[in-house]
Amino acid sequence: DIQMTQSPSSLSASVGDRITITCQASQDINYRLNWYQQKVGKAPRRLIADASTLETGVSSRFSGSESETEFTLTISSLQPEDIGTYYCQQFDSLPVTFGGGTKVEI
Amino acid sequence: QVHLQESGPGLVKPSQTLSLNCTVSGDSISSTSYYWSWIRQPAGRGLEWIGRIYPTGTTNYNPSLKNRVTMSVDTSKNQLSLKLSSVTAADTAVYFCVRTATGSWGQGTQVTVSS
Repeated sequence: DIQMTQSPSSLSASVGDRITITCQASQDINYRLNWYQQKVGKAPRRLIADASTLETGVSSRFSGSESETEFTLTISSLQPEDIGTYYCQQFDSLPVTFGGGTKVEI
Repeated sequence: QVHLQESGPGLVKPSQTLSLNCTVSGDSISSTSYYWSWIRQPAGRGLEWIGRIYPTGTTNYNPSLKNRVTMSVDTSKNQLSLKLSSVTAADTAVYFCVRTATGSWGQGTQVTVSS
């Protein structure tokens, strides 16, 4: 199985801060990575597909980038509505696997 | 816009079979080329991929659950189903169905395994 090591596991930041979340894949996943945001009691919402493609309706303050097997989700200016847990997901190889999650607090 | 709704018993006894359905509206399961996945999440924990099914019935399961999982599609009802046999407390989780390619998720259904 491909291991997705996500860091940090939690972070606390202020409104307006730029934050980054990283996922390290244990092998090449050909940019086949999604980023999800999950709020308490809700289903995850896909923010970014294929490492860097912003989903329709998602704020442009979210962005995704990649460097070989390291993937980054950036929130350029943290807003109160951004609190939640963020997950990366690789879908290059089966089984599909997820990072352990990053809980974002303000 | 597609809508997915999971349904099934919220309580299952240990060693029994968990059975869930996912009813899809706003899209025809049989007319699209999407995989449909099941994913679960124990309370306070991360996401685990259970497996996926193609409209033709082709399936892929997580090896960690493979011997206990069965997925199927009922195109006449536009419905997916998940069966997980020999459940234990470790199978207690919220179960989601997902239209994989578009990242569309159902709201999830809580299943508790307890006697």
